[in-house]
Amino acid sequence: DAGVIQSPRHEVTEMGQEVTLRCKPISGHDYLFWYRQTMMRGLELLIYFNNNVPIDDSGMPEDRFSAKMPNASFSTLKIQPSEPRDSAVYFCASRPGTDPLSEQFFGPGTRLTVL
Amino acid sequence: AQTVTQSQPEMSVQEAETVTLSCTYDTSESDYYLFWYKQPPSRQMILVIRQEAYKQQNATENRFSVNFQKAAKSFSLKISDSQLGDAAMYFCAYRRGGGATNKLIFGTGTLLAVQP
Repeated sequence: DAGVIQSPRHEVTEMGQEVTLRCKPISGHDYLFWYRQTMMRGLELLIYFNNNVPIDDSGMPEDRFSAKMPNASFSTLKIQPSEPRDSAVYFCASRPGTDPLSEQFFGPGTRLTVL
Repeated sequence: AQTVTQSQPEMSVQEAETVTLSCTYDTSESDYYLFWYKQPPSRQMILVIRQEAYKQQNATENRFSVNFQKAAKSFSLKISDSQLGDAAMYFCAYRRGGGATNKLIFGTGTLLAVQP
């Protein structure tokens, strides 16, 4: 299995531009998570989906952020308009089933820089 | 709200020696799960070890073991026979049990350096 796939690995954009981050979870995994990692705030959960349905988006910082999961094999995190404070590494993770001990598998992350 | 605290921003260990990374957490729940993740320079998050709160026996995975003290709400990670490849950021994480949530709450991390 290829693991969780994220694209792009690096994104540099200018303030005000729309940014779309993409994630392909591991096949068969029921849960998908989006995290943001910064030096100041560490790793924060932004949103997670169960069977393509958003379950908890309380970590989404503001309306500029939106996430979708149109099918079991694809999710996007969009920032519109982007701001310099959105610069961070964004991780996607997935895990199978309802076993609470099952491991979350993380993608390699997307490093976003907003100038 | 649950919180996870890692009080050691950085640690250093000599190759082949043993090092212990600290983690404390705050929760009013009795059913929960604890994890240690490793993040090497590649940024990939890798699960190192996990522990169910209802289990008294400390989890062990090869050179990695935990000291789980439920009453003290402490979950430290011991790395024995440290290797150069162990150099990474280590994150402690908590998840409430009972199927109520899938949120992982992370600590701020400990950066481990391994000296040859």
